[in-house]
Amino acid sequence: GDSVTQTEGQVALSEEDFLTIHCNYSASGYPTLFWYVQYPGEGPQLLFRASRDKEKGSSRGFEATYDKGTTSFHLRKASVQESDSAVYYCALSDLGGSNYKLTFGKGTLLTVTP
Amino acid sequence: GGIITQTPKFLIGQEGQKLTLKCQQNFNHDTMYWYRQDSGKGLRLIYYSITENDLQKGDLSEGYDASREKKSSFSLTVTSAQKNEMAVFLCASSTDRVGGNTLYFGEGSRLIVV
Repeated sequence: GDSVTQTEGQVALSEEDFLTIHCNYSASGYPTLFWYVQYPGEGPQLLFRASRDKEKGSSRGFEATYDKGTTSFHLRKASVQESDSAVYYCALSDLGGSNYKLTFGKGTLLTVTP
Repeated sequence: GGIITQTPKFLIGQEGQKLTLKCQQNFNHDTMYWYRQDSGKGLRLIYYSITENDLQKGDLSEGYDASREKKSSFSLTVTSAQKNEMAVFLCASSTDRVGGNTLYFGEGSRLIVV
């Protein structure tokens, strides 16, 4: 079945550090890839998505590029802020399977200290 | 815009008890979901529904029932609460579109079993 593997556990950074959260996927078809962010006390919300090879998704200074060759969709930000502290989920929706189901990674907790 | 409302925010019950969580959405979305969130395990799909009176099992449906009697509401019942089921339950609805659905989540309901 479909699966998503992302950087496990917690990433601790200082403000203005560069962020990378790795995401690799396995899918039977040609999936759409997503990054969701969950702030404390809230539900996850879409950060951005990408549907085609080499497509770049971006929002709020975060970006990721769909790479079909390496089956990856790594999240990056050049300079993190304390307000970016949250849990980040990589996810996929596979048209080869069910378009309605999203498969999520286990989440990565980002903690940014001033 | 719209909103997903989950009730109650905290649900406390005893072992063996049948407990129900409720979810309302005013997006007018066709598809609704229940996910379970456990620390370190990410989001796992319990049930989803693509239209009124439809139910589809997810990866974690055993021990749960669901009901979609109206387009705007989706309820989840824990049939016999166990202490190892204490988690946050997230309801979501989605825009149905080719290329993958974007999910809109509620703030979550925390289940506590005593």
